[in-house]
Order: sequence, then C-alpha cells, then structure tokens
Amino acid sequence: GENVEQHPSTLSVQEGDSAVIKCTYSDSASNYFPWYKQELGKRPQLIIDIRSNVGEKKDQRIAVTLNKTAKHFSLHITETQPEDSAVYFCAASPLRDYKLSFGAGTTVTVRA
Amino acid sequence: EAQVTQNPRYLITVTGKKLTVTCSQNMNHEYMSWYRQDPGLGLRQIYYSMNVEVTDKGDVPEGYKVSRKEKRNFPLILESPSPNQTSLYFCASSGQHLPRETQYFGPGTRLLVL
Repeated sequence: GENVEQHPSTLSVQEGDSAVIKCTYSDSASNYFPWYKQELGKRPQLIIDIRSNVGEKKDQRIAVTLNKTAKHFSLHITETQPEDSAVYFCAASPLRDYKLSFGAGTTVTVRA
Repeated sequence: EAQVTQNPRYLITVTGKKLTVTCSQNMNHEYMSWYRQDPGLGLRQIYYSMNVEVTDKGDVPEGYKVSRKEKRNFPLILESPSPNQTSLYFCASSGQHLPRETQYFGPGTRLLVL
C-alpha cells in the first residue's frame, strides 16, 4: 500500500516568515495529493490539493508543488500569521482504488 | 446547513463491550470514510464506502466493521473493543464517489476503552 512520510514533525517560524512542509510517497500510481489543516480540538479541513497532471498550485498565501519523478510534494505558506498555527497533514491517493493515506502531521507554530 | 455528524462525541467503555459510532451526512455524498487519529501517526483510514452496499478496507480495518445500508449513514462497529482501539475517530464524506474531491470531516468521537 501507499506510505506517506512527512517532515518536519514540528516547525516554529517567526510571523511573516515562510513555512515549508515536505512529503514523500511510495506508490507511483498516486495521483491526488491533498493537504489538510487541523486546529487544536477541531476537525481536519482541506486547504489545498493538487493532481498529478499539475506541477504547482497556488491559493493566496498557500502553494503546493509536486515532483512526480522524485515522488515528493511540498506545502509552502508565505507571510505566516498566528492563525496559521495548526497541525498540517499531507495525503496521497492512488488511481487504482479510493484509499487516502496520510502523513503523520506537522505541528506549525507561528511566533508573534 | 451542510454537515457531517457523529455520535457519541465522547465514549468510555470496557474491553469486549460492543459499541457503534454513528455517522450521518446531509450532502447526498456517495463517498464516506472512517479514520482514526493517534499521536505521531496522523490519520489512518479504517474503512470507506463508495456508495450504498459498497464498502472496502482501508489501511487499518482489523477489529472494525461498517455497513452502508443508506446513503446518508455509515456506522462504525466495534464488536469487541480492546484498549488499543482507544483513539479519536473521524467520519468524512465527499461527493462524486471519490476522495479526490473535498472531504468534509465530522467533529470526531473520542473513545476510551478500559
């Protein structure tokens, strides 16, 4: 099955700086890569996703890049704000079935 | 209001006592799924359902059962709970019978098995 590894497990950044989270996946058949944000005590919420036919996608201060050859994808948050503090999860889903495998999560803390 | 609901939100039980966690969505979604969340392990998929009467195993199905008799409901059944099933459980749903659309998560059910 798919194995998703996520790094780093914790990330502390100064407000206004950028944050980068990286994930690698094992199954070359994976073609859908969503990112979820989970605030303390809340449910996960989709913040951005990318499909294998696209190399990069942006949504305001958030961007995701995908390198299918190397089997890794990354989340970039620019101009971080205190409300960006949360746990972020990457995930991957292969074409052949409808499973969704998650990384272990990255706890992001934005220091004021 | 479009939502996914789970009940109960908190549950303390003892080893071996059968329990059911309900999940319901009002968005007419085909795809529904159950996950468990444990510290350091992220979210792990237990079971998912493509549509009524269609279910399949996720990455950690052992010790769990599901059923999908109606489109809106997807209960998670623990026939004989054990302490290693203590966890935070999330139900989720999405349209187009794919996880490749936005998944909406329920509020979570925190389970403690003694």
